[in-house]
Amino acid sequence: QAVVTQEPSLTVSPGDTVTLTCGSNTGAVTSGHYPHWFQRKPGQAPRTLIYATSSKYSWTPARFSGSLLGGKAALTLSGAQPEDEAEYYCLLAYYGVGEVFGGGTKVTVL
Amino acid sequence: EVHLVESGGGLVQPGGSLRLSCTGSGFIFSRSWMTWVRQAPGKGLEWVANINQDASSRHYVGSVQGRFAISRDNAKNSAYLQMNSLRVEDTAVYYCMVKYDVGGWGQGTLVTVSS
Repeated sequence: QAVVTQEPSLTVSPGDTVTLTCGSNTGAVTSGHYPHWFQRKPGQAPRTLIYATSSKYSWTPARFSGSLLGGKAALTLSGAQPEDEAEYYCLLAYYGVGEVFGGGTKVTVL
Repeated sequence: EVHLVESGGGLVQPGGSLRLSCTGSGFIFSRSWMTWVRQAPGKGLEWVANINQDASSRHYVGSVQGRFAISRDNAKNSAYLQMNSLRVEDTAVYYCMVKYDVGGWGQGTLVTVSS
């Protein structure tokens, strides 16, 4: 089974920009993996922020964006806010096999 | 508004069975892949299984292959996860989720496997 890797933790100052990445041990992440990004806060169900690499929902704050960067999927938070402190997970699809979550990135806004 | 409601969780002994249900509204259920995800205590999210629109394609994580079965009833806007031969390590909150342009999650149902 594929292994999806994310930074375990990142700390950002309010107003700063941070990029989270999502890699695969099978090779470069492409749009064919349909990367999704999720936000998870304590005591709440996860919330989907980005689908299919870079598509947003009506509820996705404009400061979040998705892309492919250096063979990985990336979630960029531009202008971090205190309410963005959460765990962020990526999910990659592997055709004909299934899907795999990354281990999650704990983002601290300090 | 997308709404997903899971049910069927509870306490079960190792080796036992449970059937989880997920009912959706606010989107065209019959056109959506449905996914089950779980989160064990203190762990991250784990993808468990998915099923395509007409149930012709189903996939499972290796640790549940042969023990869990995903199904759906489009007439009832519902997806199911039949869990057999449950193990202590299956203890988790189980969520149903819709990906892509729908982007919805249920509130989760707790499954506890313990003697």
